[in-house]
Amino acid sequence: SQKIEQNSEALNIQEGKTATLTCNYTNYSPAYLQWYRQDPGRGPVFLLLIRENEKEKRKERLKVTFDTTLKQSLFHITASQPADSATYLCALLDNTDKLIFGTGTRLQVFP
Amino acid sequence: EAGVAQSPRYKIIEKRQSVAFWCNPISGHATLYWYQQILGQGPKLLIQFQNNGVVDDSQLPKDRFSAERLKGVDSTLKIQPAKLEDSAVYLCASSLAHGTSATNEKLFFGSGTQLSVL
Repeated sequence: SQKIEQNSEALNIQEGKTATLTCNYTNYSPAYLQWYRQDPGRGPVFLLLIRENEKEKRKERLKVTFDTTLKQSLFHITASQPADSATYLCALLDNTDKLIFGTGTRLQVFP
Repeated sequence: EAGVAQSPRYKIIEKRQSVAFWCNPISGHATLYWYQQILGQGPKLLIQFQNNGVVDDSQLPKDRFSAERLKGVDSTLKIQPAKLEDSAVYLCASSLAHGTSATNEKLFFGSGTQLSVL
């Protein structure tokens, strides 16, 4: 079955730097992959969707890449701010068309 | 537009008791999902509805969990009897998606119900 791997260790970076989070999957490449942000005590909030035929997607300070050869998506936040501190979840469809989520990576941006 | 509404926000019960959660999705959203999120883990899909029909409930522990979506709008998720391992946040989400491939859309989540089973 499809598995998603995200770094369970928190990522700590300084304000202004670029944060890069990794999402690896184990089996077949999904039709698309999504990234969500989750703040403590809140539900996930959709950020970006990237399709398998797209190499890169951008939205303001966010950039997502999708490498079906490496079975990996990278999520970048440029010029990071303390307000970007949250847990970021990767999600994709499994082979039964269910949207499955990774465990998420917690990002902490220090002033 | 109004988001996904869930209640209650918190619930504390003893094991073997029953509990129910309520969800009101975004108006016009055909697909509704219930996810379970255990502390430190990602959300795990329990059940997915398309209008008032069940699309997938393969990960729902049917001996104790039940869910319904009457009239294709609101939904309730029930646990009876609860176990200690059911302690988690129960998230409801909805999406616009229509048709058989209902997950080809972004999900809108509610704030969840935090359940503690003692």
